[in-house]
Amino acid sequence: KNQVEQSPQSLIILEGKNCTLQCNYTVSPFSNLRWYKQDTGRGPVSLTIMTFSENTKSNGRYTATLDADTKQSSLHITASQLSDSASYICVVGLKGSNTGKLIFGQGTTLQVKP
Amino acid sequence: SQTIHQWPATLVQPVGSPLSLECTVEGTSNPNLYWYRQAAGRGLQLLFYSVGIGQISSEVPQNLSASRPQDRQFILSSKKLLLSDSGFYLCAWSVLGGQGNEKLFFGSGTQLSVL
Repeated sequence: KNQVEQSPQSLIILEGKNCTLQCNYTVSPFSNLRWYKQDTGRGPVSLTIMTFSENTKSNGRYTATLDADTKQSSLHITASQLSDSASYICVVGLKGSNTGKLIFGQGTTLQVKP
Repeated sequence: SQTIHQWPATLVQPVGSPLSLECTVEGTSNPNLYWYRQAAGRGLQLLFYSVGIGQISSEVPQNLSASRPQDRQFILSSKKLLLSDSGFYLCAWSVLGGQGNEKLFFGSGTQLSVL
């Protein structure tokens, strides 16, 4: 069964600190892995997209890693800001689909406190 | 630039009432369009997708239906809402990106409460 599992479910950190969110997947055939940021009551916004051959991708203070062998990904946030408070969703795309066949994780809720 | 509009932002409806959520995309033509539902604490679930006018595919059997009367308009409907239809509904559109990966863009969502 195609699944994406994220940990932790929620996380509280102090402003300025770093944090790392985890994503494990059992999706086949694998095409790509994405990280989205979703503010409360809003639609998700794409942070990174990585294919099988990529093992790291950065977007400002966000750095995603991918280990396709162990089927794990992480999202590292550096020097957190209050605006980083949101839900972070790991999404894995299925290969061979031209209709955006994506498997969504349940998300990690991050709260950054001053 | 492309934009996606989704409305209303919030909706409270009684059980058994009809539903119509609308989504429109600007700045692109012949996009793939999607309706997702997000239950509290759960991952997004794909409800419907459309690759063209009048072409609708349903991912999950349910009390809802979708229609695409125009190229950039996608409508989610129900004749009679159930309590279980409550949730956060997201419209999205996609375009083929680099290396064959689709880039997915979401609307701002509709919070539906069925009472």
